[in-house]
Amino acid sequence: DAKTTQPPSMDCAEGRAANLPCNHSTISGNEYVYWYRQIHSQGPQYIIHGLKNNETNEMASLIITEDRKSSTLILPHATLRDTAVYYCIVRDMNTGFQKLVFGTGTRLLVSP
Amino acid sequence: GAVVSQHPSRVICKSGTSVKIECRSLDFQATTMFWYRQFPKQSLMLMATSNEGSKATYEQGVEKDKFLINHASLTLSTLTVTSAHPEDSSFYICSADRTSGSEQFFGPGTRLTVL
Repeated sequence: DAKTTQPPSMDCAEGRAANLPCNHSTISGNEYVYWYRQIHSQGPQYIIHGLKNNETNEMASLIITEDRKSSTLILPHATLRDTAVYYCIVRDMNTGFQKLVFGTGTRLLVSP
Repeated sequence: GAVVSQHPSRVICKSGTSVKIECRSLDFQATTMFWYRQFPKQSLMLMATSNEGSKATYEQGVEKDKFLINHASLTLSTLTVTSAHPEDSSFYICSADRTSGSEQFFGPGTRLTVL
């Protein structure tokens, strides 16, 4: 079962920041937080991941709370092409196969 | 980012036939590849983990004799849906880890329709 909870849907105006929350209150010390997104009928696309420090790359920023029980993915200037389902995944890096277990995700709709 | 390809992208077959789907890591070697299935309006469900040179590890409820997985090289894994039936119609997606502890890259998916 997925170890994360996300709102089922969110709306965002084009050009504004999209802040997608994720709750992972049962996360353990060796588990990373990964974010992927899936545009309709395509394979998921990696966005970002982190352990406890905030992370930023060319796509997004990841803010992880100090207790690591929740995180927020920030798309600083959302575009129409950012409309997708966003998945927050907790991944145990110490298990043999380090598999990803997908939850239901958040459907982000970016509107003009 | 690294590239993972799948072939075919779309396949339609008759009930009772077998279908093979290929997953390739194009610019890196993948010791471990994963196979997922996604039904309409649902999330991805992990079917099995494929390791090069060894037997695949299947998730609970996935029939290993129906979904045959072969990982013969560090760049290729195949999923064969044997004796396909209409309920096997789905979007099949593979992924690969470039290195341990890094991001996992996904293929574009294969849409299977069984008539």
